[in-house]
Amino acid sequence: DIQMTQSPSSLSASVGDRLTITCRASQSISTYLHWYQQRPGKAPRLLIHTASSLQSGVPSRFSGSGSGAEFILAISSLQPEDVATYYCQQTYNTPFTFGPGTKVHIK
Amino acid sequence: QLQLQESGPGLVKPSETLSLICTVSGGSISNSSYYWGWVRQRPGKGLEWIGSIYYTGTISYTPSLQSRVTISIDRSKNQFSLNLRSVTAADTAVYYCARRDGTKYNWFDPWGQGTLVTVSS
Repeated sequence: DIQMTQSPSSLSASVGDRLTITCRASQSISTYLHWYQQRPGKAPRLLIHTASSLQSGVPSRFSGSGSGAEFILAISSLQPEDVATYYCQQTYNTPFTFGPGTKVHIK
Repeated sequence: QLQLQESGPGLVKPSETLSLICTVSGGSISNSSYYWGWVRQRPGKGLEWIGSIYYTGTISYTPSLQSRVTISIDRSKNQFSLNLRSVTAADTAVYYCARRDGTKYNWFDPWGQGTLVTVSS
């Protein structure tokens, strides 16, 4: 199985701050990497697919980059509604696997 | 707008079978561009892919559950289902159904709201 790791596991930032989350795969996965946001008590929501493509309806402050085995999710200006846990997922091979998540708090 | 809704018992006894249905509305489950899948989330934990099915019946499962899980599709009802046999407390989780992109990259969107299933006597 392809193992996914994320760093940091949690972070706290102020409204308006730029923040980044890193996701690493245990092997190269090209751009078969997707990012999801899960707000407290809600279902996951697709933010970014294929490493850098913004899903329709997602605010442009979210962006993704990377290929191979290292990927970054960036939020350019943190908003209160961005409080959530963010997961990366690889779909290069089955079983599809998710990272452990990064919990984002507001200071 | 496509919507998915999970339904089924919220409480299952140990050793019995967990059975859930996902009803798809606003689109056809027979659309050749998509697969349909299940993901679970144990309390306080991350996301675990369970398996996916195509409208033709092509299926893939995660190896750790493959011996106990069956996913099936009912095109006439625009539904797909999950059966997980011989459950234990470790199967207590929120179960989500989701549409999976079937072109190449396999992302999951949209998701159902999820349903909590507790395994307890």
